Amino acid sequence: QVQLQQSGAELAKPGSSVKISCKASGYTFTSYAMHWIKQTTGQALEWTGYIAPGSGGTKYNEKFKGKATLTVDKSSSTAYMQLSSLTPVDTAVYYCASGAPGNWFAYWGQGTLVTVSS
Amino acid sequence: DVVLTQTPPTLSATIGQSVSISCRSSQSLLHSNGNTYLHWLLQRPGQSPQLLIYSVSRLESGVPNRFSGSGSGTDFTLKISGVEAEDLGVYYCVQGTHAPYTFGAGTKLELK
Repeated sequence: QVQLQQSGAELAKPGSSVKISCKASGYTFTSYAMHWIKQTTGQALEWTGYIAPGSGGTKYNEKFKGKATLTVDKSSSTAYMQLSSLTPVDTAVYYCASGAPGNWFAYWGQGTLVTVSS
Repeated sequence: DVVLTQTPPTLSATIGQSVSISCRSSQSLLHSNGNTYLHWLLQRPGQSPQLLIYSVSRLESGVPNRFSGSGSGTDFTLKISGVEAEDLGVYYCVQGTHAPYTFGAGTKLELK
């Protein structure tokens, strides 16, 4: 079965960076784009962007350009999202999600809580 | 960006009751390829979102058939025919037609 296993919670200081991971299993990693979604405490969901693991091509939400950087390691079927210049506004749970073309949100990771605090 | 407006924000239901949630888009979600990428998710307390319906009306594998989706263009509806206790949580519509992909604010389904 498809599984997306995310890395553990992060506590980061303002101005620093974090890199969270999402390890995929149960399907051919390069077949599906990997999306990243931010969920704040108020439950609002925001699409950050996606990466096509086969080509490395990316598409970002303009709001997250310069904030999020998406990469993959095909050898380990792992996707990464680096968040830079962190501020308290970046405090949220971040999910990875994937699925077949047209059905991109079929599979979800368990979420990674990023807390930005001095 | 496309704005998805969900109503109602909160829904109180008894077990066995049928309920509907509306999702209205600020622009048509019909893609140039002829598909409409409007999906429905359920997030139970403390869990990740789960896909229920994709492309307006297609039931995701393993999802009970008491869930159904309908609509076109800018108006979409999720219907639950006979609420069960496990259906409680927050329902979101999400569109994947126009980047950036966007989510509705959610509808919380509670027990009356």
